[in-house]
Amino acid sequence: DAGVIQSPRHEVTEMGQEVTLRCKPISGHNSLFWYRQTMMRGLELLIYFNNNVPIDDSGMPEDRFSAKMPNASFSTLKIQPSEPRDSAVYFCASSLASSETQYFGPGTRLLVL
Amino acid sequence: EDQVTQSPEALRLQEGESSSLNCSYTVSGLRGLFWYRQDPGKGPEFLFTLYSAGEEKEKERLKATLTKKESFLHITAPKPEDSATYLCAVQAPGGAQKLVFGQGTRLTINP
Repeated sequence: DAGVIQSPRHEVTEMGQEVTLRCKPISGHNSLFWYRQTMMRGLELLIYFNNNVPIDDSGMPEDRFSAKMPNASFSTLKIQPSEPRDSAVYFCASSLASSETQYFGPGTRLLVL
Repeated sequence: EDQVTQSPEALRLQEGESSSLNCSYTVSGLRGLFWYRQDPGKGPEFLFTLYSAGEEKEKERLKATLTKKESFLHITAPKPEDSATYLCAVQAPGGAQKLVFGQGTRLTINP
């Protein structure tokens, strides 16, 4: 089992640039989650999807953040324009709809200069 | 609002020195409590799920227990490879799959 795959693993960009993070969930999983982890706020849920449909995006900090899931095997999290305070580790996780166990990817470490 | 508080923030132990990590929670009807392990530079790795007070689960040197207000992660005779940050998360009822995480306990086991 390949697990959850995220790309890129590291991203360094300048303020104002667009950033796109990518995630491939575990095959057969119906739910996908995007989290952000910082020292100050810990691990926070941004948005999650069930069967490719966004269910709860109340954790998305601002309109600069958007997420899509065009099919069951791919999701993106986009930040446009990026700001230094967006610097964090972004995790994607997936789970079976019938099970609450979420399995995390390795994360994308984002640094906005 | 659902809240999770973990203590201590950091813990240093000698190899073989047993101890416990605490996770206190406030949630209107617990659906599940989860323990994860996170190594530096990696994503959280699932350890246990507990659903009801009195439930216990074990894995190697780790045992998780649950009461109506808190959960403990007991570590028996730890080894240096047990060093990691341990995260606790709760899931509220209502069909949502949202997890609310605590800040974690950073555990260091010295050889």
